Amino acid sequence: RKEVEQDPGPFNVPEGATVAFNCTYSNSASQSFFWYRQDCRKEPKLLMSVYSSGNEDGRFTAQLNRASQYISLLIRDSKLSDSATYLCVVNGGGGFKTIFGAGTRLFVKA
Amino acid sequence: GAGVSQSPRYKVAKRGQDVALRCDPISGHVSLFWYQQALGQGPEFLTYFQNEAQLDKSGLPSDRFFAERPEGSVSTLKIQRTQQEDSAVYLCASSLNGGRANEQFFGPGTRLTVL
Repeated sequence: RKEVEQDPGPFNVPEGATVAFNCTYSNSASQSFFWYRQDCRKEPKLLMSVYSSGNEDGRFTAQLNRASQYISLLIRDSKLSDSATYLCVVNGGGGFKTIFGAGTRLFVKA
Repeated sequence: GAGVSQSPRYKVAKRGQDVALRCDPISGHVSLFWYQQALGQGPEFLTYFQNEAQLDKSGLPSDRFFAERPEGSVSTLKIQRTQQEDSAVYLCASSLNGGRANEQFFGPGTRLTVL
C-alpha cells in the first residue's frame, strides 16, 4: 500500500463546477498536510496547508480527518486556470521525509 | 527575489556515466530537499539537509546516489554509473526553517535522460 494515495483522475469538469479530491495516508503519526499544485512540465507550488479545523482560501477548501487519515480539497466555481495536477503531501511521522501522492489531474473546460 | 535555481535544466547521459546536478536554494533557507519525479508520478523524496547536515537520506535508491551541501547553501546530487531507470526529473526544494510544517519552494528541476 502506498503511503499517500490519490485518485489519479482525470477529472473533466465544466467551468463553474464544484469538484472534490480525496487523499488517504497510512502513517497515523503524520503531522503536517498540504495540497500542492503542479502545472504540466512545471515545478510544484504550494496551494494550501491543511489544518485539523479545516481551512478555506477563496474558492478552495481543505479538510483533514485524522481519525480516518483522510484529506480533501474542494474547488468551487472552477476556472480554466485551475486545470493542473493536484498533489496531496504529508510530512512527519518519523524522519524528515515528505511524501507526495501521485497527483490528481483536473481539466476544466469552457 | 530569486527563487530556487537548478542546473543543468536538461542532461543526457550515456549509461554508466556519472552526473552531477546542482541546486541553488533561496538565500537564507535552512532546509533543502531533493526529489525524483518520474513521468505521471508525484515527486519521490530522496534526501533532506538542514544547513550542511544531511539528516535524512532514506529515499536515496542506491549507493550510486550521493548528495552534499558542504557550506549549507548550494547542494549537489551526484549519480554514479547512471542506469536507464535513473531517467527522471530531479527536483530541489528549499524552505525557510527546519520544521516539517513549512512551505517548500521548488526549483524548475533537471530532466535527466540516460540512454
